[in-house]
Amino acid sequence: QKEVEQNSGPLSVPEGAIASLNCTYSDRGSQSFFWYRQYSGKSPELIMSIYSNGDKEDGRFTAQLNKASQYVSLLIRDSQPSDSATYLCAVSSGYSTLTFGKGTMLLVSP
Amino acid sequence: GAVVSQHPSRVICKSGTSVKIECRSLDFQATTMFWYRQFPKQSLMLMATSNEGSKATYEQGVEKDKFLINHASLTLSTLTVTSAHPEDSSFYICSARDSLGRAGGGELFFGEGSRLTVL
Repeated sequence: QKEVEQNSGPLSVPEGAIASLNCTYSDRGSQSFFWYRQYSGKSPELIMSIYSNGDKEDGRFTAQLNKASQYVSLLIRDSQPSDSATYLCAVSSGYSTLTFGKGTMLLVSP
Repeated sequence: GAVVSQHPSRVICKSGTSVKIECRSLDFQATTMFWYRQFPKQSLMLMATSNEGSKATYEQGVEKDKFLINHASLTLSTLTVTSAHPEDSSFYICSARDSLGRAGGGELFFGEGSRLTVL
């Protein structure tokens, strides 16, 4: 059974700090990796996708993938209170549906 | 990114009635759409995979006769909760992939979600 594990948190960081969110997955055949942000009462919003080992940067967000360790992370630089949300890690192999982790709640305090 | 529209965003109904939720891909074609359910403070749970022109594939434990899915066109899938009961109250979210692959490596785009409250 494919599993995606995330620490549920909450992860609390002060405004301006770097937030580091981590995710591990069980299926070695996984090829696509995504980070979604979900505000309370809202549907998930895609913020990053990564497909190869290494880092991928987009604005204040950096996704990191290590397939050998089956580990993917999301760094948020200069965290803002508006970044407070639940961050969902999602993994897929090929064109199959995504397997989601349970999410990590991030709280950024002013 | 691609746009997925879901309607209604909120619905309140009496126990025993049926509720239909629509999911539309607005700027791309989606041969496959996915329906999720999310209870408060819990993770997304995949209910079923909706395939255009064929029967939906349901996840284990999801009653196909209770949650009717129709995917009649490349841009529309509907979920009907039949004879709804209070325990069906939840946040239902649809998602879709761009069949032409313009979105890249298989990203899912989510609708806004539909919050169902059954009295």
